[in-house]
Amino acid sequence: KAGVTQTPRYLIKTRGQQVTLSCSPISGHRSVSWYQQTPGQGLQFLFEYFSETQRNKGNFPGRFSGRQFSNSRSEMNVSTLELGDSALYLCASSPIAAAGELFFGEGSRLTVL
Amino acid sequence: AQSVSQHNHHVILSEAASLELGCNYSYGGTVNLFWYVQYPGQHLQLLLKYFSGDPLVKGIKGFEAEFIKSKFSFNLRKPSVQWSDTAEYFCAVRGNNNNDMRFGAGTRLTVKP
Repeated sequence: KAGVTQTPRYLIKTRGQQVTLSCSPISGHRSVSWYQQTPGQGLQFLFEYFSETQRNKGNFPGRFSGRQFSNSRSEMNVSTLELGDSALYLCASSPIAAAGELFFGEGSRLTVL
Repeated sequence: AQSVSQHNHHVILSEAASLELGCNYSYGGTVNLFWYVQYPGQHLQLLLKYFSGDPLVKGIKGFEAEFIKSKFSFNLRKPSVQWSDTAEYFCAVRGNNNNDMRFGAGTRLTVKP
């Protein structure tokens, strides 16, 4: 069974640009969560989607948005990038919403110059 | 919303030493508790979880954790660490009311051979 796949794995952007990250969950998983990981801050919750609906949203500005498609794949978008957005963005899937265990991808490492 | 505190930022031990990593959470209701591990260059993976029942939970690779409800704690332990336990450890909590999963800042464990 394939794991959670995130693309791209690495990317470099400049301030003011926007970026879209993609996540394909494990087959059969309908819930996708996104986290931002930075040194010293751990994982900060961004959003959780289930069946194309956003269930929960973390404390991030409106520049951060996401969506989920009917095949459970998810994308997140960050507009007007800032230097502080440099981080590892992790996607995790689970079979149902508010499930026990999350299955993580390897992440998309974003560097903003 | 729930929050998680991990007391130790970086722990350095010699092989065969005993390990205890602290985790406290803040949430008023019933919770599910988790420890995840991130080995160098790898994705986050579940170490152990607590939903209900016996407060002493055993996980993979000889790790265990004890849920103490009165202290809002879920500390991770291992009697004798190995060099291969070098990793970053994250405590996480999910409130039992359809909440998202929140993570602590992580504890980096370095085991010297």
